[in-house]
Amino acid sequence: GAGVSQSPRYKVAKRGQDVALRCDPISGHVSLFWYQQALGQGPEFLTYFQNEAQLDKSGLPSDRFFAERPEGSVSTLKIQRTQQEDSAVYLCASSLDTSGGANTGELFFGEGSRLTVL
Amino acid sequence: AQSVTQLDSQVPVFEEAPVELRCNYSSSVSVYLFWYVQYPNQGLQLLLKYLSGSTLVKGINGFEAEFNKSQTSFHLRKPSVHISDTAEYFCAVSEGLMNSGYSTLTFGKGTMLLVSP
Repeated sequence: GAGVSQSPRYKVAKRGQDVALRCDPISGHVSLFWYQQALGQGPEFLTYFQNEAQLDKSGLPSDRFFAERPEGSVSTLKIQRTQQEDSAVYLCASSLDTSGGANTGELFFGEGSRLTVL
Repeated sequence: AQSVTQLDSQVPVFEEAPVELRCNYSSSVSVYLFWYVQYPNQGLQLLLKYLSGSTLVKGINGFEAEFNKSQTSFHLRKPSVHISDTAEYFCAVSEGLMNSGYSTLTFGKGTMLLVSP
């Protein structure tokens, strides 16, 4: 596609439910990031993939969060046993090169998936 | 560790007036600096970037920013704003490549620019 696509755009979950958020990066992009943006805050780094390899998951807030990119394209962020504090917009971003866009600033963001946990 | 401070959470301004959105960063090494804009219900869009070279960088929609290393600042400016500039603006810093060959962005909390007629 022309841009980074995320689905669903909106998700309401009851506390304790599992959710899965999908990201379709721009075709051919090597680097893929997940960020979490809480209300009134800037995006915060969650995890980074280079192709199918998850090189950094230092930002995942707990072991309830899990991300994968098995074929080096589509990525899924899974949150198990959701809690109210998980309510946020989850942003996916991709870049063509292996630097994650650091060399060029060419990091492309999706519109995000807004998760509300009741 | 790197950090970004955006001093103003909201900046109200009248149309055609000049505006400056402030950004200060903290880092122990050389950095790359970015401004992103987020319109309602849309993703982040790159407005401009400083990677190296001239400290005055120009971006889209008439915005510009100046990198000041001594003051560790990267303030965003526009000489005359339009209603359509109403959006949230995020300053971000990257510390360049880590040993693993990639880097992540650290964002500020954002500044909401409110342009009124």
